[in-house]
Amino acid sequence: AQSVTQLGSHVSVSEGALVLLRCNYSSSVPPYLFWYVQYPNQGLQLLLKYTTGATLVKGINGFEAEFKKSETSFHLTKPSAHMSDAAEYFCAVHNTDKLIFGTGTRLQVFP
Amino acid sequence: DAGVTQSPTHLIKTRGQQVTLRCSPKSGHDTVSWYQQALGQGPQFIFQYYEEEERQRGNFPDRFSGHQFPNYSSELNVNALLLGDSALYLCASSLVGQGGNQPQHFGDGTRLSIL
Repeated sequence: AQSVTQLGSHVSVSEGALVLLRCNYSSSVPPYLFWYVQYPNQGLQLLLKYTTGATLVKGINGFEAEFKKSETSFHLTKPSAHMSDAAEYFCAVHNTDKLIFGTGTRLQVFP
Repeated sequence: DAGVTQSPTHLIKTRGQQVTLRCSPKSGHDTVSWYQQALGQGPQFIFQYYEEEERQRGNFPDRFSGHQFPNYSSELNVNALLLGDSALYLCASSLVGQGGNQPQHFGDGTRLSIL
């Protein structure tokens, strides 16, 4: 069965610091992987996706993620955090037309 | 181009009651999926509708049922509400056959509180 594990339920960074949110996946077939962001009282917004091809995927708002098959990882990064990045972030794997989500990582950004 | 819209935004019910949540998919999409997101958790897949039929279902009891209409909109019904049904219910739409190449688009959800 396919699954994703997000390491760290809370991550705190200073404004301007590097953001690193971790996601590891389990899949018996080449996975389709996604990162979604959820702002308070809102639904999920797609940040980026990996399907096939280039392993470094660029998304919106300056985020990017690298697919590493050898490490079964798909970590999300952003070089410089902004206050507006404070939100909940979910990693997900596509499985027969549905998404299987991780438990989420809450990102706090301090001035 | 309207995205996924859900109604109502918030709902308060008491145990044992029944509730209906509504979803209109993004224009051009024909498949609707429903997810339950409990507080502090990731969304959990409830079921998916395509061509007015339930296409696949997650690990949820029969108290959870749905419907899809010819215009692709969908309803989620929950009977005999329990306190544990309190959650954010998210609707997502997509186009069948695109697989993981096309991500699901989510609405802002309905916050259901059970007293």
